[in-house]
Amino acid sequence: GAGVSQTPSNKVTEKGKYVELRCDPISGHTALYWYRQSLGQGPEFLIYFQGTGAADDSGLPNDRFFAVRPEGSVSTLKIQRTERGDSAVYLCASSLGTSVDTQYFGPGTRLTVL
Amino acid sequence: GIQVEQSPPDLILQEGANSTLRCNFSDSVNNLQWFHQNPWGQLINLFYIPSGTKQNGRLSATTVATERYSLLYISSSQTTDSGVYFCAVERPGGGNKLTFGTGTQLKVEL
Repeated sequence: GAGVSQTPSNKVTEKGKYVELRCDPISGHTALYWYRQSLGQGPEFLIYFQGTGAADDSGLPNDRFFAVRPEGSVSTLKIQRTERGDSAVYLCASSLGTSVDTQYFGPGTRLTVL
Repeated sequence: GIQVEQSPPDLILQEGANSTLRCNFSDSVNNLQWFHQNPWGQLINLFYIPSGTKQNGRLSATTVATERYSLLYISSSQTTDSGVYFCAVERPGGGNKLTFGTGTQLKVEL
């Protein structure tokens, strides 16, 4: 079946602009995660959804970052007033949502803030 | 938070060689996954292995949870094995979020 998909694959924006990044999880997966990966580092957790609600948003760096999953499937990560330090690859993952299970990652969105 | 360290940080192999990658973690875990990040950035699941030993083709992994480490074995390496290998762990009560290690950059040469 289809894996996790993310759009766009690349996004270039100017400092101060607003951006939205989209994630389509694997069909039937109730859990969805966002991670951020800076150059040369491992991914870092941002937020985790179980169904429509954010079960853990402790990784969001500040209030410029926000994510939604209104129907329990597609999720959008929103970044306001982008800064150059937000440049990174944003990764989405999904899983079945059992207590302990395997996370499957999408190809990521490379965000560049000029 | 939990610390996850991987070694070696970089590794260069000749095609056909074998290697062992190590992942040490500082606390109890209830989930451990190994990933391969290919040169295009895609994270590919290799193993879900919170404990025990698993094998998949030329790859195998062992996690000794009581001693807080995991090993990834690559046998008869191929150039397509090049990339970065990450282990990632989840703590009990950690809310399903994965904490990634520092990664091992592997290059397999002809």
